[in-house]
Amino acid sequence: SQQGEEDPQALSIQEGENATMNCSYKTSINNLQWYRQNSGRGLVHLILIRSNEREKHSGRLRVTLDTSKKSSSLLITASRAADTASYFCATDSNFGNEKLTFGTGTRLTIIP
Amino acid sequence: NAGVTQTPKFQVLKTGQSMTLQCAQDMNHEYMSWYRQDPGMGLRLIHYSVGAGITDQGEVPNGYNVSRSTTEDFPLRLLSAAPSQTSVYFCASSYSSLITGQGNQPQHFGDGTRLSIL
Repeated sequence: SQQGEEDPQALSIQEGENATMNCSYKTSINNLQWYRQNSGRGLVHLILIRSNEREKHSGRLRVTLDTSKKSSSLLITASRAADTASYFCATDSNFGNEKLTFGTGTRLTIIP
Repeated sequence: NAGVTQTPKFQVLKTGQSMTLQCAQDMNHEYMSWYRQDPGMGLRLIHYSVGAGITDQGEVPNGYNVSRSTTEDFPLRLLSAAPSQTSVYFCASSYSSLITGQGNQPQHFGDGTRLSIL
């Protein structure tokens, strides 16, 4: 069963614009992670936010977490062609357990 | 430092054949896992290991076996391949939060094995 659901499933924007994608999950979590997957490659970890954090930044990435709504958002500012990829959220459920449940992903296309 | 290495990158099998997907990591990570990725379904956990000699089942373990004799290697075995096992398989590793005491850790993924069962 999928814990996380990303929205939208696909997103196309012009280079330089901001991209926002959302993740909703069903059960309580300890942390939430975002990953990027380029076509034909494995997933690459982007950022991890813990349940007691509300916002986190890393370069052009901004992640928010609202545990009351069981949702998270990933904002990519000033998008570049190289940001074209699929983005997945992943949640855990138990501290000390590395098992992650992934959402179905958002396919982001940056139009040059 | 190669990270997580998966072999082979591509494989075609006939129904009923068996094979082993190899996964090796050189980061001394305690935790290793196998996922399959199918269109529209994200990644689903097959098996995982929290250390050498310890393995456990994930969400979709049927038809697959694993073993963990060393920290570095975590092979995935298909016992009798079926068309439903056509997928892209990813191996991942991370430090264990039990050891770091810092909560869940980021996963490092290999580039996958694309497997087709005819």
